[in-house]
Amino acid sequence: DAGVIQSPRHEVTEMGQEVTLRCKPISGHNSLFWYRQTMMRGLELLIYFNNNVPIDDSGMPEDRFSAKMPNASFSTLKIQPSEPRDSAVYFCASSLDRVGTGELFFGEGSRLTVL
Amino acid sequence: TQLLEQSPQFLSIQEGENLTVYCNSSSVFSSLQWYRQEPGEGPVLLVTVVTGGEVKKLKRLTFQFGDARKDSSLHITAAQPGDTGLYLCAGPNSGYSTLTFGKGTMLLVSP
Repeated sequence: DAGVIQSPRHEVTEMGQEVTLRCKPISGHNSLFWYRQTMMRGLELLIYFNNNVPIDDSGMPEDRFSAKMPNASFSTLKIQPSEPRDSAVYFCASSLDRVGTGELFFGEGSRLTVL
Repeated sequence: TQLLEQSPQFLSIQEGENLTVYCNSSSVFSSLQWYRQEPGEGPVLLVTVVTGGEVKKLKRLTFQFGDARKDSSLHITAAQPGDTGLYLCAGPNSGYSTLTFGKGTMLLVSP
């Protein structure tokens, strides 16, 4: 089975532009997570969906960030307008159910550079 | 928020050396997980420890969960260049719905 698939792998954009990151979770997984990774802050949870419903978005930095999961096989993370401080690697991950002792499966990440 | 502190932040060693990295918290965790992340890739699960005092071995890697379930360690014997990567520990939140990650230990093993 294919793993978590993210696109694009790399995105370079200018400040003020809209950025959309995409994720296809592993088929059959009920939970989907968006994380952001930087050297300074490590891996930070942005938002968590369960059965396509946003459960916890307390990690979303501000209103410029939004995430959707219209169906079980697709999610997007949108930044509008983008700022240089948004530069980071954004990971999507999925799990079969509650993470407890379960495993998180990560995609390869989308590296975003905002100039 | 339950925080996980990892140390050291960075470790550079020669092939064949032994090393230990640590994951500490002031909070009790029901379980802890260790992930390894290679450059340009996402983290991949190595092991989950559940019981206080538990020791798990994965080839040359030995993982231990503290008796009080507040800390964990990873020991690598005879490190190899293939062990190079970012080692992350993670623990579930109280609702078991999300994972909080430490900032990781970056390990570089030179031939």
